[in-house]
Amino acid sequence: AQSVTQLDSHVSVSEGTPVLLRCNYSSSYSPSLFWYVQHPNKGLQLLLKYTSAATLVKGINGFEAEFKKSETSFHLTKPSAHMSDAAEYFCVVSVTNSGYSTLTFGKGTMLLVSP
Amino acid sequence: DAGITQSPRHKVTETGTPVTLRCHQTENHRYMYWYRQDPGHGLRLIHYSYGVKDTDKGEVSDGYSVSRSKTEDFLLTLESATSSQTSVYFCAISDQGGVHYGYTFGSGTRLTVV
Repeated sequence: AQSVTQLDSHVSVSEGTPVLLRCNYSSSYSPSLFWYVQHPNKGLQLLLKYTSAATLVKGINGFEAEFKKSETSFHLTKPSAHMSDAAEYFCVVSVTNSGYSTLTFGKGTMLLVSP
Repeated sequence: DAGITQSPRHKVTETGTPVTLRCHQTENHRYMYWYRQDPGHGLRLIHYSYGVKDTDKGEVSDGYSVSRSKTEDFLLTLESATSSQTSVYFCAISDQGGVHYGYTFGSGTRLTVV
């Protein structure tokens, strides 16, 4: 069964330093993977997606993620954190059951950015 | 979010009462989904719909039912609300099952069962 595991429930960085949010996936075939972001008391916004094209995926707001099949990972990175990046981030995998696809979410990583 | 509206935005209800949440879209998308969000659990799928009157269960469907009588509306009903159903509920839509394009989410409904 397809699933994702977010390895850190909380990550703290200082403004201007790099961000790394880790996600491992489990899938019997090449999956579709996504990262979503949720700012406090807001809905969810798609950051980026991987659908078996380029393994390095660029998203909005300077984020990018690299699909590594050998490591079954899809980590999210950003070279320099900004205060506005403070939010909860979800790694997501597409799951197919009964012929229809749905999205399965990881448990989330809260990114804290300090001045 | 543009094209998808959830109502109500907030609701407080008593244990044992029925509750219906509404999701309305103007995008004419085929697929609609209901998720609940709880701390430490991320988002979990309750039910989804792949067409008018076509629905299926998700990971946490017990205690919930859904209906979709027209493309634009997807209703989630708690037949007899319990405190464990206190949560934030999100509706989502997609036009191709979400595999390649992900979902568009509504702004959520915060439900409190007392």
